[in-house]
Formats: sequence, C-alpha cells, structure tokens
Amino acid sequence: GQNIDQPTEMTATEGAIVQINCTYQTSGFNGLFWYQQHAGEAPTFLSYNVLDGLEEKGRFSSFLSRSKGYSYLLLKELQMKDSASYLCAVIDSNYQLIWGAGTKLIIKP
Amino acid sequence: ETGVTQTPRHLVMGMTNKKSLKCEQHLGHNAMYWYKQSAKKPLELMFVYNFKEQTENNSVPSRFSPECPNSSHLFLHLHTLQPEDSALYLCASSQDLGGGAVETQYFGPGTRLLVL
Repeated sequence: GQNIDQPTEMTATEGAIVQINCTYQTSGFNGLFWYQQHAGEAPTFLSYNVLDGLEEKGRFSSFLSRSKGYSYLLLKELQMKDSASYLCAVIDSNYQLIWGAGTKLIIKP
Repeated sequence: ETGVTQTPRHLVMGMTNKKSLKCEQHLGHNAMYWYKQSAKKPLELMFVYNFKEQTENNSVPSRFSPECPNSSHLFLHLHTLQPEDSALYLCASSQDLGGGAVETQYFGPGTRLLVL
C-alpha cells in the first residue's frame, strides 16, 4: 500500500528553527508537495520538490532524498503566525496525490 | 486569497436533511476536486472533475452527489448523512488534470460540516 508518515504534532519556540519530517512509500514518485494549513483555513502551497536536494524560499526550505523516501520542511526564525498544520503529499506514478495526515506545529513565545 | 471560495463555511444538519455545498474558483482552472478532511487523517479525495466531466469517484457513498455545471462551479449535494460524515469538506482546483503532468492544487477554505 501507499503510505506517508509525518509526526502528528510538534512544539517549537518563537525565533527558533524547526524541522518537520515526512517519509513515504509510494508506487512511483513524481514529486512531493508541502502545504500549510492554518486552523479553519485553506491549505496553501508552500513548495514542490522533484529532484534531490534543498530548495530555499525565504524562511522556509524543503529537502528531498528520493533514495531514502524522505523529505523535510525547515522553518527558520519561527514566528507565532507559523503555528499551523503542515501537510506532505507525494505524487505517485499515476500522478495521483497521496496525502499525509499533517503535522500540527505549535509555536510558543 | 479568494481564488477558490466555498459556501457555507459552517453547516449543521440532521440525518434526514438535504443540503448542498458550493465551490467557485476564479482562477480559470479546468479541474476541480472535492476532499474530505477528518481530524488527524490524510485528505480523502472524493470526486474529480475535468472540464466539468467527472473523472473519478473514489468509492464515495451515494448520499454524496457531486454536480459540476461548468469549469468554475462545483457542488456537493448531501442527503441522509450519518454522524461519521462530520468533517471539513475542501474544494480544490488545478489548471488541468494530472495525467502525465504535475499540477498544483489550490484549495478553498472548506465547509465545516456537523451531522447530528
């Protein structure tokens, strides 16, 4: 079967750095998305990785290792507004999106 | 961000009621999706439409009935729901349907549904 694993919940401190991991076992791979979802709001696109390595976008970076079936989202200089759920999703060989259950990130002052 | 809108934002209904959820996208996209989001579970894809034709129905019970009159509007008609159907229902759109290409999906804020 196809599976995406993410931690259910993480806590971090304002101003710090946090890394949210995502591991996947899917039939084929055509890329990986990260989305951010604030409580009661729409998931919004953060990043897309299809090649190995680190992609940086301001305070957020996303890393992919296809050989390890592993990705992480790195958030730097955390702000209170970063409190949200972060969803990992993989595109399989049929171009279907396989979703993880999301990681709820709690930022404390 | 008002690219994809959904109404109502909240809905409480009894098991014998009939109600409809509405989604509208203002992005000029051709594909639209209905998802169910339950707490601590992955998004469940329910229906997919491409150029207003249904291309996917992921074994969804018949008490959920989608309608797509045009590429900008998508409805989900609900009747005789069960309490376990309580969830956040998200609508999304993408430029086109995957099928050999990667498409980024853009989501609406969802309808929080409670079935009593």
